[in-house]
Amino acid sequence: EDKVVQSPLSLVVHEGDTVTLNCSYEVTNFRSLLWYKQEKKAPTFLFMLTSSGIEKKSGRLSSILDKKELFSILNITATQTGDSAVYLCAGPDRGSTLGRLYFGRGTQLTVWP
Amino acid sequence: DAMVIQNPRYQVTQFGKPVTLSCSQTLNHNVMYWYQQKSSQAPKLLFHYYDKDFNNEADTPDNFQSRRPNTSFCFLDIRSPGLGDAAMYLCATSRFGTGLAATNEKLFFGSGTQLSVL
Repeated sequence: EDKVVQSPLSLVVHEGDTVTLNCSYEVTNFRSLLWYKQEKKAPTFLFMLTSSGIEKKSGRLSSILDKKELFSILNITATQTGDSAVYLCAGPDRGSTLGRLYFGRGTQLTVWP
Repeated sequence: DAMVIQNPRYQVTQFGKPVTLSCSQTLNHNVMYWYQQKSSQAPKLLFHYYDKDFNNEADTPDNFQSRRPNTSFCFLDIRSPGLGDAAMYLCATSRFGTGLAATNEKLFFGSGTQLSVL
C-alpha cells in the first residue's frame, strides 16, 4: 500500500500562476518529510520538514507540515517555465534499523509560457 | 564538482544479457542506495549499503545484485535483465542513513542511468 500519496498527479499552469502541491503520508515513527524536484535527471533536494506549522521558504517556493493531519503542501508562487518538473515527496520510515525513504509518485508540473 | 556520479547516463542491453551500472561518490558518505524508478512511478528502494553491510529490500528480485568494493563505489548488477527491468536507476548517498538524526536523512542523488532492454 502507498505510504506517501501525492496529488494532483499532473498539473498544467501558465507562467505567473501560483500552485499548491499536496502530500499525505503514513509512515512508522514519523521523523521528517522531504520534498525533491526532479527534472530529466536526479532529484534535487528542496526542503526537509520536521516540525508542524513552521513554514520553510526558498525564493518562490515554500512548504509547511501538519503532523497531526499527516499532510504537507508545497507552494510555488509566480511560476516560471523553469519550474516544470516532477515534485516528489518522501518520508523516512524508522521502523527498521536504518530506515528507508518512501517516495510518492510525484506531481508532474508543467508551466506554459 | 559532481558529488554522486553515475555511469553510463543511458544503457541499452539485450534481454537476458547481464549488465552493470556504476555509481561513485566524492562525499565520503557511509550509506549508498540504489532506487529503481519506472515511468510515472515513485522511486523504489532496491537495497542499500551501510559501509560494507548490505541491506536488501524484501521484494527486490534475486536478479538484482549489488557490490560495494570501497566507500566511493557501488555497483548494481542485473544478472538476466527482462523487459520489465527497463527503468531509471538512481544511486543516492547519505551520511548516516535515514534512520538516525533528521539532519542525516537528506539523500544526495546521482543523475541516474536510464536502462533500456531490447
